[in-house]
Amino acid sequence: AQTVTQSQPEMSVQEAETVTLSCTYDTSESDYYLFWYKQPPSRQMILVIRQEAYKQQNATENRFSVNFQKAAKSFSLKISDSQLGDAAMYFCAYRATSGTYKYIFGTGTRLKVLA
Amino acid sequence: EPEVTQTPSHQVTQMGQEVILRCVPISNHLYFYWYRQILGQKVEFLVSFYNNEISEKSEIFDDQFSVERPDGSNFTLKIRSTKLEDSAMYFCASRTGQARGYEQYFGPGTRLTVT
Repeated sequence: AQTVTQSQPEMSVQEAETVTLSCTYDTSESDYYLFWYKQPPSRQMILVIRQEAYKQQNATENRFSVNFQKAAKSFSLKISDSQLGDAAMYFCAYRATSGTYKYIFGTGTRLKVLA
Repeated sequence: EPEVTQTPSHQVTQMGQEVILRCVPISNHLYFYWYRQILGQKVEFLVSFYNNEISEKSEIFDDQFSVERPDGSNFTLKIRSTKLEDSAMYFCASRTGQARGYEQYFGPGTRLTVT
């Protein structure tokens, strides 16, 4: 069965600095998707970034980028120039490319941004 | 931009009562999901629904739970006889029928409190 692990329950970063959130996963599949979702205090889940496993190039969305290491089954999220609005819970999620495409989530990392 | 909506935002009910949580997925989406997040814990998959039937359900989704799409637009989750441990945030999600590259869009969630 697939599993997703986020080993950092909480992280802090100074405003304008860079922070990296870790995620590892386990799967026997060769093709899959990985996602980072942000959950602010409003609790709405917002997609931050998506990575397709068959693409070697790391995904980037403005200040957000990932370091996808397929062999190591690692998928970390880097947030550059951190802003106060980045403070939230961040969930890493895995999705297969077959079946019902359900998400498997990690336990989350709470990010605090310090002014 | 189209979005998934959920009602109510907060539901308080007494143990043993039936509750129905409602979701309106994005109109051209074909796959529908319910997830649950107990306070402070990770988001967990409950059930997926496609072509008017359940395509996958988790161990959590026992006989007390049911889903339906009664009118082609709403997607509901019914809990027949609520227990204290059903208190959680319930998220609805939907996605298109295409397998590659299409993430699930989450609604804002319904907070269910069972007293």
